[in-house]
Amino acid sequence: DQQVKQNSPSLSVQEGRISILNCDYTNSMFDYFLWYKKYPAEGPTFLISISSIKDKNEDGRFTVFLNKSAKHLSLHIVPSQPGDSAVYFCAASRNDMRFGAGTRLTVKP
Amino acid sequence: GAGVSQSPSNKVTEKGKDVELRCDPISGHTALYWYRQSLGQGLEFLIYFQGNSAPDKSGLPSDRFSAERTGGSVSTLTIQRTQQEDSAVYLCASSQEGGLFRGADGYTFGSGTRLTVV
Repeated sequence: DQQVKQNSPSLSVQEGRISILNCDYTNSMFDYFLWYKKYPAEGPTFLISISSIKDKNEDGRFTVFLNKSAKHLSLHIVPSQPGDSAVYFCAASRNDMRFGAGTRLTVKP
Repeated sequence: GAGVSQSPSNKVTEKGKDVELRCDPISGHTALYWYRQSLGQGLEFLIYFQGNSAPDKSGLPSDRFSAERTGGSVSTLTIQRTQQEDSAVYLCASSQEGGLFRGADGYTFGSGTRLTVV
């Protein structure tokens, strides 16, 4: 069962613009959420996380927003850079961790 | 080592054969995890080792799958009598601390083994 869903398999944005990657979850018991970034032929690397007691966490160009009532989180990248082109996975955890299927972001110069 | 090392990076095997996938975690990391990613799917948890404790095998999809971790370091994931649905990228991760999914920002993933069963 897909408890974490990333409904957009791909996203293309222009360099300098905002990238918004979305993630929905179904289990209200999840209390910790993460985003990972994956380049081809490499393992995923941690990007940013947020606890369920917060609704926003910012780290440089990356901001994660959490809307618990909607069971929705999003990752904003501003400004987007070509080096941000990668697959982004969201993950949610409590006693176990579930990953989404990933969204392939392409940032065009 | 500096990172998590997995071997082989690619493996093509015939249906029905056994395969072994290897993971060398970061030195000193006590926790080791195996995940797999099938085409179009998210990362699926398989098994978790923490120190000398009994592993959490709750994610293994069938009894054809097994894993061991020798000396608290290197881990081997074995798939017996491989089937086409076993084709996936198998990822290993390690972390300094235990707790099944806590401190997930402390995970370091390897580059994975791409398994293709023909």
